[in-house]
Amino acid sequence: AQKVTQAQTEISVVEKEDVTLDCVYETRDTTYYLFWYKQPPSGELVFLIRRNSFDEQNEISGRYSWNFQKSTSSFNFTITASQVVDSAVYFCALSEDSGGGADGLTFGKGTHLIIQP
Amino acid sequence: SQTIHQWPATLVQPVGSPLSLECTVEGTSNPNLYWYRQAAGRGLQLLFYSVGIGQISSEVPQNLSASRPQDRQFILSSKKLLLSDSGFYLCAWSMGDHSRFFGPGTRLTVL
Repeated sequence: AQKVTQAQTEISVVEKEDVTLDCVYETRDTTYYLFWYKQPPSGELVFLIRRNSFDEQNEISGRYSWNFQKSTSSFNFTITASQVVDSAVYFCALSEDSGGGADGLTFGKGTHLIIQP
Repeated sequence: SQTIHQWPATLVQPVGSPLSLECTVEGTSNPNLYWYRQAAGRGLQLLFYSVGIGQISSEVPQNLSASRPQDRQFILSSKKLLLSDSGFYLCAWSMGDHSRFFGPGTRLTVL
């Protein structure tokens, strides 16, 4: 069975600090997909990134970067030089190839990130 | 580009009243459609998904039902709301490629 653990329930940092959100996953499949979503106070879930299990290259998009390490089953998300607009709940999610498509997307419980001015 | 709409954005209903939430997707054909609920405490629970018109799969037994009368329309309904039905309802779509894109959500309060 697949599982996603976001151990950090809430993180509070001061603006301009770097912050890393942890995500650890469990799966028996060799093919799977990992995601990060952002949920601002408005409630909409905003897609940030999708990574498949065959691609361990880290990715950078502006101030956002993702570190995928299969050896530790982790897919951590770092925000560099955080801004108040980054304040949101962030969800990590996992989809197994065998259960993908119509179902099989498992979410972590989310990390509430607070950026203080 | 694809867009997904949900309405209403906010709803306050008395216990025992009926419910109808609507979701429509634009810019794609034959998407997979999903209904999720997010109760206080942030967890996301998959309620229903659909791979085509008239095809509905339920993930958990509950007071709710779903229907897909058209290719890009997904409706969440209830005949009699319970207090426990309160929450934030999110519709999502995908093309069966493991990505999932969410709508703006409907915040439902049952009093």
